[in-house]
Amino acid sequence: AQTVTQSQPEMSVQEAETVTLSCTYDTSESDYYLFWYKQPPSRQMILVIRQEAYKQQNATENRFSVNFQKAAKSFSLKISDSQLGDAAMYFCAYRRFTGNQFYFGTGTSLTVIP
Amino acid sequence: NAGVMQNPRHLVRRRGQEARLRCSPMKGHSHVYWYRQLPEEGLKFMVYLQKENIIDESGMPKERFSAEFPKEGPSILRIQQVVRGDSAAYFCASSPGGQAYNEQFFGPGTRLTVL
Repeated sequence: AQTVTQSQPEMSVQEAETVTLSCTYDTSESDYYLFWYKQPPSRQMILVIRQEAYKQQNATENRFSVNFQKAAKSFSLKISDSQLGDAAMYFCAYRRFTGNQFYFGTGTSLTVIP
Repeated sequence: NAGVMQNPRHLVRRRGQEARLRCSPMKGHSHVYWYRQLPEEGLKFMVYLQKENIIDESGMPKERFSAEFPKEGPSILRIQQVVRGDSAAYFCASSPGGQAYNEQFFGPGTRLTVL
């Protein structure tokens, strides 16, 4: 079974600084998708960024980028120029290439310090 | 285009009662997924449905839980004879297709509290 591990329950970052959230996963498959979701206090799940495992290039969405290390099964999220609105729970998720469901990590609570 | 809608947002039930959670997918989406989030945990998959069909219920508890997605109307997650351990946030997501590359759009969730 696929497992997703987020080893940092809590992180904090100074406003305008950069922070990296860690995620590792376990799989025997070669093709799959990885995601980072943000869950603010409203509890709405918001897609931040998506990575296809067959793509070597790291995905980027404005201030958000990933460091995808397939061999190490690592998928970290980097947030640059952190803003107060970035404060939220961040969940890493895995989805099989032929699968229906997401496998989520336990989340990292990010605090942004003004 | 309205997003995924869930109601109620908050639901309080006493032990032994029934809980009905509703999910209206985004317009044009025919695939619905239900997830449960226990306190301090990530979302856990429960069931995947298409119109009138359950495709994957591998995450659904064997007893007391059922789900449906009728031809007309919202998807319903039904929990019979609720217990305190059912207290959680229940999220619905929808997608236009069942392929893995299709993004799942999440609703705001229903927070169930069992007294």
